[in-house]
Amino acid sequence: GAGVSQSPSNKVTEKGKDVELRCDPISGHTALYWYRQRLGQGLEFLIYFQGNSAPDKSGLPSDRFSAERTGESVSTLTIQRTQQEDSAVYLCASSLGRFQETQYFGPGTRLLVL
Amino acid sequence: SQQGEEDPQALSIQEGENATMNCSYKTSINNLQWYRQNSGRGLVHLILIRSNEREKHSGRLRVTLDTSKKSSSLLITASRAADTASYFCATVFNTDKLIFGTGTRLQVFP
Repeated sequence: GAGVSQSPSNKVTEKGKDVELRCDPISGHTALYWYRQRLGQGLEFLIYFQGNSAPDKSGLPSDRFSAERTGESVSTLTIQRTQQEDSAVYLCASSLGRFQETQYFGPGTRLLVL
Repeated sequence: SQQGEEDPQALSIQEGENATMNCSYKTSINNLQWYRQNSGRGLVHLILIRSNEREKHSGRLRVTLDTSKKSSSLLITASRAADTASYFCATVFNTDKLIFGTGTRLQVFP
């Protein structure tokens, strides 16, 4: 079956512009995660959605970052007024839920802010 | 903040040799997972070991867990050039959040 997909694959934007990144999780996966990975670094947790529960936003670095998820499907991560330090790969993952801890990752969106 | 730290940060070996990577973490865990990442893009889940397990095998992979030392190791036997990648450990405790380590970059030369 289809895995996690993300779009766009690459995004180049100018400082100050807003960007939207999209994630399509595996069908039936109730949990969805966003991570950020700067060049040569590990993954930083950003936000976590689990079913209809309130999302865990504890990893969002600033109020310029927000994310939404429609039910148990698509999620969008929005970065407003982008800064050069936002340049990174943004990875999305999904899992079956609370007791299924294996996460399945998408290919990521590489964001470059000029 | 990152929970785990991998050691070494980088490792270069010849094909056929074994590669050992270590991961240390800070708090109690429910389970520990190892992931592989090629070319800085999506991660692939390799193996999950629960806190009550001490060793797990999957093909050429062997993972150990020592909860008293808060450490885990990943052994890749008979390495191949295709094993060249970054390897991350990640821990879960009481939530579904995976907290990732800093990664080990493995280079296997043919």
